[in-house]
Amino acid sequence: QSALTQPASVSGSPGQSLTISCTGASSDVGGYTYVSWYQQHPGKAPQLVIYDVNNRPSGVSNRFSGSKSGNTASLTISGLQAEDEADYYCSSYTSSGTLDYVFGTGTRVTVL
Amino acid sequence: EVLLVQSGAEVKKPGESLTISCKTSGYTFTTYYITWVRQMPGKGLEWMGRIDPSDSHTNYSPSFQGHVTMSVDKSIGTAYLQWSSLKASDTAMYYCARVGVGDFDHWGQGTLVTASS
Repeated sequence: QSALTQPASVSGSPGQSLTISCTGASSDVGGYTYVSWYQQHPGKAPQLVIYDVNNRPSGVSNRFSGSKSGNTASLTISGLQAEDEADYYCSSYTSSGTLDYVFGTGTRVTVL
Repeated sequence: EVLLVQSGAEVKKPGESLTISCKTSGYTFTTYYITWVRQMPGKGLEWMGRIDPSDSHTNYSPSFQGHVTMSVDKSIGTAYLQWSSLKASDTAMYYCARVGVGDFDHWGQGTLVTASS
């Protein structure tokens, strides 16, 4: 089972919107609603920002939103702020082999 | 408040054994799986496997099967990750996390393991 595919980096200016893609297969992203996204600041533990494709945990800014089409999920950050600069990882439940879950390759978001 | 608190950083020699811990609080320990995630220096997140604290049933990623052992002590709400013989390539940050409904909703702060001669 390979990792889900994400762009290595994306960047945007404050106030802009940006979208990160996460491409998998019908055995993971395309087959389940259990797609989640995690934000990780340098030296910190990951934090859940989106679960079940498009739901935000309590306390997460509504500037974060998620969606899915076919085998590709997306995370959109609107009204980009300096504090959004971090690494972002998608994850999906998978029925491939003996794995339960698989992570994406990770995307570094830079606020210009 | 749900908390997962991991044991401190470890420095070991290759070939040595090691156990790190993840102490939980703020919820019923046996109701949620615990997962372990590896992050090698400068790299991404890797799912290692998970354990069901209610019956200690485990499911390991093929990449880690046979090299690590996951266990729990229900009496103290603590999960463990164990190596019987560390390799230099085990040098990484290790995170425990609670498995929600298809996601990892609470994370420990991480334990840095360094295996070097």
